Amino acid sequence: TQLLEQSPQFLSIQEGENLTVYCNSSSVFSSLQWYRQEPGEGPVLLVTVVTGGEVKKLKRLTFQFGDARKDSSLHITAAQPGDTGLYLCAGPDSGGGADGLTFGKGTHLIIQP
Amino acid sequence: SQTIHQWPATLVQPVGSPLSLECTVEGTSNPNLYWYRQAAGRGLQLLFYSVGIGQISSEVPQNLSASRPQDRQFILSSKKLLLSDSGFYLCAWTGGPETQYFGPGTRLLVL
Repeated sequence: TQLLEQSPQFLSIQEGENLTVYCNSSSVFSSLQWYRQEPGEGPVLLVTVVTGGEVKKLKRLTFQFGDARKDSSLHITAAQPGDTGLYLCAGPDSGGGADGLTFGKGTHLIIQP
Repeated sequence: SQTIHQWPATLVQPVGSPLSLECTVEGTSNPNLYWYRQAAGRGLQLLFYSVGIGQISSEVPQNLSASRPQDRQFILSSKKLLLSDSGFYLCAWTGGPETQYFGPGTRLLVL
């Protein structure tokens, strides 16, 4: 099973600041997905990146897939309290079946008003 | 549009009691279905997946089992719960290549 390491594990910043969280692996992934999860709820898919070097923007969120397809980053501009949550990256598990995903442990993000 | 339901939302059970968690999907046919467990500090762990009625694959050996009696129904069961079975259980279905959509989850506390 391929491993995904996310950093930082916890991040607490003030509203209006910018931040970047990372998802790294020693393995190559055909794609990576980013999810946001709020307490007591299931993860919600934010984006899927599939091409090395790809950059996708979702309002104030910018996602980048590394050229070698081993890492990804999520940058948030002018963070707002509504961005608070657990951010998970995931990728297809080459050792599993039926489109199973491997997940990182996530970054717990708190945006203080 | 597709929706996924899970129940119950919260469950408190004594050690040694049985378990049955249900997941149903609407708006799609023959989906791949998945059960994950999310424990504090351990991320999401894939427990079972199913590509069709009666077809179950287990990713991690444990005292849990899964069944798929109908196309859009996926059930997670146990005959005797352990303390270590506590966690947040998530059902998911595949919405496209390498993309999964999750249900609202069931929080299980075993005492």
